[in-house]
Amino acid sequence: SAVISQKPSRDICQRGTSLTIQCQVDSQVTMMFWYRQQPGQSLTLIATANQGSEATYESGFVIDKFPISRPNLTFSTLTVSNMSPEDSSIYLCSVEEWGWNTEAFFGQGTRLTVV
Amino acid sequence: QKEVEQNSGPLSVPEGAIASLNCTYSDRGSQSFFWYRQYSGKSPELIMFIYSNGDKEDGRFTAQLNKASQYVSLLIRDSQPSDSATYLCAVIPGGTSYGKLTFGQGTILTVHP
Repeated sequence: SAVISQKPSRDICQRGTSLTIQCQVDSQVTMMFWYRQQPGQSLTLIATANQGSEATYESGFVIDKFPISRPNLTFSTLTVSNMSPEDSSIYLCSVEEWGWNTEAFFGQGTRLTVV
Repeated sequence: QKEVEQNSGPLSVPEGAIASLNCTYSDRGSQSFFWYRQYSGKSPELIMFIYSNGDKEDGRFTAQLNKASQYVSLLIRDSQPSDSATYLCAVIPGGTSYGKLTFGQGTILTVHP
C-alpha cells in the first residue's frame, strides 16, 4: 500500500497569511486528492490534482483560494491562501491504488488553526 | 438531500455486542462503497469495501450492500473498546474516478466495557 507523508502535521497561522501543505508519496500515482475536514465534520473533497494539468476543483472551492501544484507523479502541494478562522480544519491528501483491493489512502493530515 | 447519509449517532454498545452502522446514498449509479474508521486526531483508515450486492465478511466486520434500496451497512461483531471511533461511509459516485470519494457525516461509536 502507498505510504503518504504530509507536512506540516499542524500549524497555527495568522489570518491573512498563506500556508502550503506538502504531500509526498512513496510511489508514482496518477491522481492525488485533497480533502478538508472541518471541526466535527466529515471529509469534503477540495480538488483532484493530476500531473501535467490544472487541478479540478469541486463546487465551492476555487483555485485562487486553494492553489494546487502537481510537479511530478509523487508530489503535490495545496496552499490555503489569505486565511481566515473559517479555514481552520484538517487538510488531508489522498491517493488511489488500483488492484484487487482498490482503495484510497490518506496522509496523516495537517491540522490548521487560524487565529 | 445529502449524497451520503449515515445514522446520526452517537452509538453506544456494550463490549461483546453487535454494533450496526447504516448508510444511504442518493446516486443510483454509485458502484463502490467503503467504510473507514477514524480515531480522534488521526486520518481515516479503510476497514471494508464492497462492490456487489449482498454480504462481505472480514473477521469481525460484515459489510452489507443493497443497491436497489441504496443502502450499505457495517456490522461489528463482538465489539471491543478499541472499536470506539468515528465510522465514515464513503461512496464513489457514478461516472467518477476511483479515489474521488463522497463521505457521509460519520457515526461516533463508543464501546463501553
